[in-house]
Amino acid sequence: DAGITQSPRHKVTETGTPVTLRCHQTENHRYMYWYRQDPGHGLRLIHYSYGVKDTDKGEVSDGYSVSRSKTEDFLLTLESATSSQTSVYFCAISEGRGRPDTQYFGPGTRLTVL
Amino acid sequence: GESVGLHLPTLSVQEGDNSIINCAYSNSASDYFIWYKQESGKGPQFIIDIRSNMDKRQGQRVTVLLNKTVKHLSLQIAATQPGDSAVYFCAETVLGGYNKLIFGAGTRLAVHP
Repeated sequence: DAGITQSPRHKVTETGTPVTLRCHQTENHRYMYWYRQDPGHGLRLIHYSYGVKDTDKGEVSDGYSVSRSKTEDFLLTLESATSSQTSVYFCAISEGRGRPDTQYFGPGTRLTVL
Repeated sequence: GESVGLHLPTLSVQEGDNSIINCAYSNSASDYFIWYKQESGKGPQFIIDIRSNMDKRQGQRVTVLLNKTVKHLSLQIAATQPGDSAVYFCAETVLGGYNKLIFGAGTRLAVHP
């Protein structure tokens, strides 16, 4: 998985609790992304980062925040988890140099919100 | 198991046959396309890409064909093997600016011995 790890790999939590998912890369890539994957919707972008402390929203960002304090780590936080956020979450990275800029994905985190 | 595969179109092939997976893309301005393979419980894995200035590109056992006139992309897998069983996604983007990928819904490939 291109030097990308995600933690935890599985999590079950209750509605209203905060949750933080971590993505760690060893490739020193500039861009990092968080996606969610749901049946019938494919992969949808939540947030992305184009450098340390530089982040922007994707198409489904409501209810999520992100932080990137180091090149290698990109955190996704659900401030108050809801059942609609039950999903599989994937982190991706890309070099961000030149075009095209292929994205490589991590192994995913399965989150269940009860 | 992976729930993403529910309700996906499925292509069933015999081991050793060639497989063709199709994708209709949405944006006529898209100029870069990628095929990803996703095995159960894993993240999408890059297979092959193609830019819009090409209509065919070959890799190891895989070929991608691009028809810009009808906005159609296909992935051909030669001599399909059981290890090819997975969900396959196409993705499109417009080069320049931030690299936003738009993913298709996916096709499940089932390889039978």
